[in-house]
Amino acid sequence: GAGVSQSPRYKVAKRGQDVALRCDPISGHVSLFWYQQALGQGPEFLTYFQNEAQLDKSGLPSDRFFAERPEGSVSTLKIQRTQQEDSAVYLCASSSMERGRGSRNEQFFGPGTRLTVL
Amino acid sequence: EDKVVQSPLSLVVHEGDTVTLNCSYEVTNFRSLLWYKQEKKAPTFLFMLTSSGIEKKSGRLSSILDKKELFSILNITATQTGDSAVYLCAVKYNAGNMLTFGGGTRLMVKP
Repeated sequence: GAGVSQSPRYKVAKRGQDVALRCDPISGHVSLFWYQQALGQGPEFLTYFQNEAQLDKSGLPSDRFFAERPEGSVSTLKIQRTQQEDSAVYLCASSSMERGRGSRNEQFFGPGTRLTVL
Repeated sequence: EDKVVQSPLSLVVHEGDTVTLNCSYEVTNFRSLLWYKQEKKAPTFLFMLTSSGIEKKSGRLSSILDKKELFSILNITATQTGDSAVYLCAVKYNAGNMLTFGGGTRLMVKP
């Protein structure tokens, strides 16, 4: 596709519900990243995939957060038993970079999913 | 603790003004610094800087990195209302490919 796409664009959940957020990266991009952006703040790293391998999940705030990318393309970020502090914009980014190959390639971001937990 | 700090937090100017946005960082094994523009949706890439003292320029925007003093600036000349956005600075460091962002500078350009 032309760019990174994410769905849904907006999600309202009641506290305690599970949600699943989808990211379609740019075709052929090896690396995929998830970030969480709270209102008025910069994005914060959650997790990183290279192809289907989750190489870094150090930013996931709790074990309620789970991400997968089973075929090395589309990724899903799942949040179980949502809480109000999970309300944020969840950004997905992809790049053609592979780990350890330098830092020349920038990350391209999707429009984000705005999650509101009531 | 590794960190990226942007200043000012927000800025209001009039069309035609020149602005300078600042980004300072304290990280181990710095690799690159990136600037993004974020309007109401996806951050869009502006510049990537890896070497000190080399200015990157795109139209009215330019940026430079000082690896000795650990900061970067983003300049916008002859500002237009379409420049209104949040400008994000991010750093890559160590062996990872993730970006560590600053809090952003919110720029508003009034007609």
